[in-house]
Amino acid sequence: GESVGLHLPTLSVQEGDNSIINCAYSNSASDYFIWYKQESGKGPQFIIDIRSNMDKRQGQRVTVLLNKTVKHLSLQIAATQPGDSAVYFCAENRLEYGNKLVFGAGTILRVKS
Amino acid sequence: SAVISQKPSRDICQRGTSLTIQCQVDSQVTMMFWYRQQPGQSLTLIATANQGSEATYESGFVIDKFPISRPNLTFSTLTVSNMSPEDSSIYLCSVESRGPFNEQFFGPGTRLTVL
Repeated sequence: GESVGLHLPTLSVQEGDNSIINCAYSNSASDYFIWYKQESGKGPQFIIDIRSNMDKRQGQRVTVLLNKTVKHLSLQIAATQPGDSAVYFCAENRLEYGNKLVFGAGTILRVKS
Repeated sequence: SAVISQKPSRDICQRGTSLTIQCQVDSQVTMMFWYRQQPGQSLTLIATANQGSEATYESGFVIDKFPISRPNLTFSTLTVSNMSPEDSSIYLCSVESRGPFNEQFFGPGTRLTVL
């Protein structure tokens, strides 16, 4: 069936470097995407979102890029810090289905000091 | 964003018993959602809970196993019935924001272990 998936299960980066977490989706009708961060023992925390009519959206130290041609979504974290260590999930929200979120598999980000 | 709390935060239960998980929000919300996150895995939507109507369950989840209540706009419960070790998971509730993009915010989760 249709799904949202990730390329890399684990990403290790040096503190201060930039991180890029990738996500592929299969449904071209998806119209809204969200990135969540989940720290150990906590619920997912909203990071940033993007609508399908946009290619890029920036937040504080984070940027989401959407490439609809290849159905690819990425999260870029600038100057990665130890506090960024967590599992990152992309999620697809199809508004036609009443805001149901379909989550990707998740990427573990480990920041080395 | 809404402040969401869940009770209990964790529990260890015996096979065959049931556990009711509570989700409380600090503001009125129309839509609440219940998710399951099995160990080391991603989140899967169990059901959508709207006030004043029966919950809508996703494929693979049934009301007899996961009955849900939604008595008002700030509260919901999820019961995990007749538990087995396969039900060991984190159970999370989420709410839809009132912002322009309808993003969802999550509670801290309930970590359930079934022996």
